[in-house]
Amino acid sequence: SAVISQKPSRDICQRGTSLTIQCQVDSQVTMMFWYRQQPGQSLTLIATANQGSEATYESGFVIDKFPISRPNLTFSTLTVSNMSPEDSSIYLCSVPGQGKETQYFGPGTRLLVL
Amino acid sequence: AQKVTQAQTEISVVEKEDVTLDCVYETRDTTYYLFWYKQPPSGELVFLIRRNSFDEQNEISGRYSWNFQKSTSSFNFTITASQVVDSAVYFCALSPLIIQGAQKLVFGQGTRLTINP
Repeated sequence: SAVISQKPSRDICQRGTSLTIQCQVDSQVTMMFWYRQQPGQSLTLIATANQGSEATYESGFVIDKFPISRPNLTFSTLTVSNMSPEDSSIYLCSVPGQGKETQYFGPGTRLLVL
Repeated sequence: AQKVTQAQTEISVVEKEDVTLDCVYETRDTTYYLFWYKQPPSGELVFLIRRNSFDEQNEISGRYSWNFQKSTSSFNFTITASQVVDSAVYFCALSPLIIQGAQKLVFGQGTRLTINP
């Protein structure tokens, strides 16, 4: 199975600031996905991080708010910009497993915006 | 549009009881994938199973079993002889599209399962 790490694991931030979340995978993957899980809610896909090209955003999410970098096949960052309390969520990165039989998730970054 | 419905928001049972978590999905794709994930209180998502739309065989893994019925668009999950460690939020998910082998998942709202000793 893929080993995925995220940094930071949690953070408390002030409104109006930005936070960059890192996702590191122990193997090369073509696609990496970023999801958001608001308190008590399900997971919603934010965007697909493509290596060597711009990220693809889902409806309701924009690059100015959630800029994504994908400098290589094992690493990606998601920035939550100009944060407000509504951005308080768990942010998870996800990658396909070997043989594409599974989809694995990182441990998540718990963000609280005051 | 793709949609996953988990009508049971919360379920509470006593240990050793069997429990079934329901999942109903909607999709226009002819080929799709269905998943179940477990999210314990620690927060991480634990992959349980992925099924292809063309494989309707039921699956059993220890105390876990899955019943996939394409005719009713359902993919239900049963835990037999439940244990306290089974307490978690369980998510059913649908993959509407395969992009170079990876899946974009559409999740249901989740079912919070509590197993009481």
